Amino acid sequence: GDSVTQMEGPVTLSEEAFLTINCTYTATGYPSLFWYVQYPGEGLQLLLKATKADDKGSNKGFEATYRKETTSFHLEKGSVQVSDSAVYFCALSDRRGGNKLTFGTGTQLKVEL
Amino acid sequence: DAGITQSPRHKVTETGTPVTLRCHQTENHRYMYWYRQDPGHGLRLIHYSYGVKDTDKGEVSDGYSVSRSKTEDFLLTLESATSSQTSVYFCAISAPRDEKLFFGSGTQLSVL
Repeated sequence: GDSVTQMEGPVTLSEEAFLTINCTYTATGYPSLFWYVQYPGEGLQLLLKATKADDKGSNKGFEATYRKETTSFHLEKGSVQVSDSAVYFCALSDRRGGNKLTFGTGTQLKVEL
Repeated sequence: DAGITQSPRHKVTETGTPVTLRCHQTENHRYMYWYRQDPGHGLRLIHYSYGVKDTDKGEVSDGYSVSRSKTEDFLLTLESATSSQTSVYFCAISAPRDEKLFFGSGTQLSVL
């Protein structure tokens, strides 16, 4: 079946550092790809998405590019802030209807001053 | 924020007791989902619904049942709670042809 693999955390960075969180996927079809973010004590919220190869999703300074040849969707940000501290989930939707998402295990990001 | 309310927010119960979690939405979205979140597993789909009285199983449905008698409410029932069902439970909603999911704030369930 479909699966998503994320790098393990926690990832600890200093403020203004460059962030990369790796995500690779396995899917039988041609999925849509997502990054969701979970702040402490809250539910998940959509950060960005991409629906076809070479699409770049972006939001709040975060970016991720849909790479079909490497089945990857790595999350990047050029300069992180303390407020970016959260858990980040990579996910895919199989597009067979119903919007059911398959999630990775999540990567905790801690940003320190 | 999407209008999704989960209740209760926290619950402690004993092994073998029945438990019902409620998800209520005010967005009139057709699709609703129950996920559980566990360390090392991310979120896993328990059950989902495509409309009133239209439900189906997800990947971790054993020990759980659901009901949806109204568009706005989706109930998750643990018939006889076990310690392995200690988890954080999230409800989510979406609209057809929009792949974006909106999540509730979660229910922390502890089964002792």
